[in-house]
Amino acid sequence: AQSVAQPEDQVNVAEGNPLTVKCTYSVSGNPYLFWYVQYPNRGLQFLLKYITGDNLVKGSYGFEAEFNKSQTSFHLKKPSALVSDSALYFCAVRPPESGNQFYFGTGTSLTVIP
Amino acid sequence: DTAVSQTPKYLVTQMGNDKSIKCEQNLGHDTMYWYKQDSKKFLKIMFSYNNKELIINETVPNRFSPKSPDKAHLNLHINSLELGDSAVYFCASSSKPPFWDSSTDTQYFGPGTRLTVL
Repeated sequence: AQSVAQPEDQVNVAEGNPLTVKCTYSVSGNPYLFWYVQYPNRGLQFLLKYITGDNLVKGSYGFEAEFNKSQTSFHLKKPSALVSDSALYFCAVRPPESGNQFYFGTGTSLTVIP
Repeated sequence: DTAVSQTPKYLVTQMGNDKSIKCEQNLGHDTMYWYKQDSKKFLKIMFSYNNKELIINETVPNRFSPKSPDKAHLNLHINSLELGDSAVYFCASSSKPPFWDSSTDTQYFGPGTRLTVL
């Protein structure tokens, strides 16, 4: 069965510190991997995706994510957190045989403390 | 211009009522989706339409009926609302259908409709 895990419900980080939001997946084949961000009372916004190629993917708002095939992980990172980064972050996978059907993780609430 | 829009933004209603949520996208996409986000923030796909044709129909009570009058619109009608239907419902669209192998495609989400059933 396809699954996506975000092991941390809540991540707190001080402003200016690096942040990491974790995601691991369990799918067959080589999936496409995505990160979305949801600000309070807003819809999901696309941040970045990994399809193939360089394992380090750069996305919007200074975020990047590293694909690690051996660990089946796709952790979201940012070198220096901003208070405005506080939001809910969702990891999603698209198994190659599923076409455009997405499977979302349960979300991680990120709070950046001033 | 808003790419994917939903109305209403908030919907408060009594148990047993019938209500509809509307979704429109102006991206020229062929495929639209409905997702449900529960109180624990878990996001789950409900339906997907491609060119007005139902493609994905996950395990959802048949009180939920999607309707796509054209490929730019996907409405969600809910009959006999129950307390457990309270959630945020998100519409999304993509240029490619669910079973199309396109590495470059992604989904774009609307702002959500917060449904509260009393």
